[in-house]
Amino acid sequence: KNEVEQSPQNLTAQEGEFITINCSYSVGISALHWLQQHPGGGIVSLFMLSSGKKKHGRLIATINIQEKHSSLHITASHPRDSAVYICAVKRSNNNDMRFGAGTRLTVKP
Amino acid sequence: DGGITQSPKYLFRKEGQNVTLSCEQNLNHDAMYWYRQDPGQGLRLIYYSQIVNDFQKGDIAEGYSVSREKKESFPLTVTSAQKNPTAFYLCASSTGYSEQFFGPGTRLTVL
Repeated sequence: KNEVEQSPQNLTAQEGEFITINCSYSVGISALHWLQQHPGGGIVSLFMLSSGKKKHGRLIATINIQEKHSSLHITASHPRDSAVYICAVKRSNNNDMRFGAGTRLTVKP
Repeated sequence: DGGITQSPKYLFRKEGQNVTLSCEQNLNHDAMYWYRQDPGQGLRLIYYSQIVNDFQKGDIAEGYSVSREKKESFPLTVTSAQKNPTAFYLCASSTGYSEQFFGPGTRLTVL
């Protein structure tokens, strides 16, 4: 079993819909990251969080440490949000990162 | 502009040849990393270096080699011993225990 599991694997939405991507992990962590990978392959960091909730524009990330679960929400989705979203965790007490397999989001106009 | 560069973006090699992927950063980061990405799988760590002249094996180091002679540079060599080298390779860097910054990646195809 992977240490970081994401769901769904693939997600198709209509423009304007509210999107939720989920991430569960099974190891002790010091931080959780949400990353965005566009078709060209480059990866951009969206959020790094260790507790609570963060918001940036239309993106919201939450984490529940007790339940070892995080969600990434996108409000008023747009075709330019189409990308692969990756959850990654930094394991406690070292610099080791573990990555989920990613969620491929397609937003149709 | 500070960032991480990887070159080339696309690389084609014949089976049995060694190939070296470049990774350069001007962020003054101490730590650098190489990951491999395959379809349907999460990124997997090949090698990492936390300081110049020192590097450690990651989860899938077999068939790969690295060097860290300069803080800015962390080249990865894919040797002929790597049984399935065709993949997307990502380089990243970080300072201390901060978030990692990623390069644009190199897609290697072995024919």
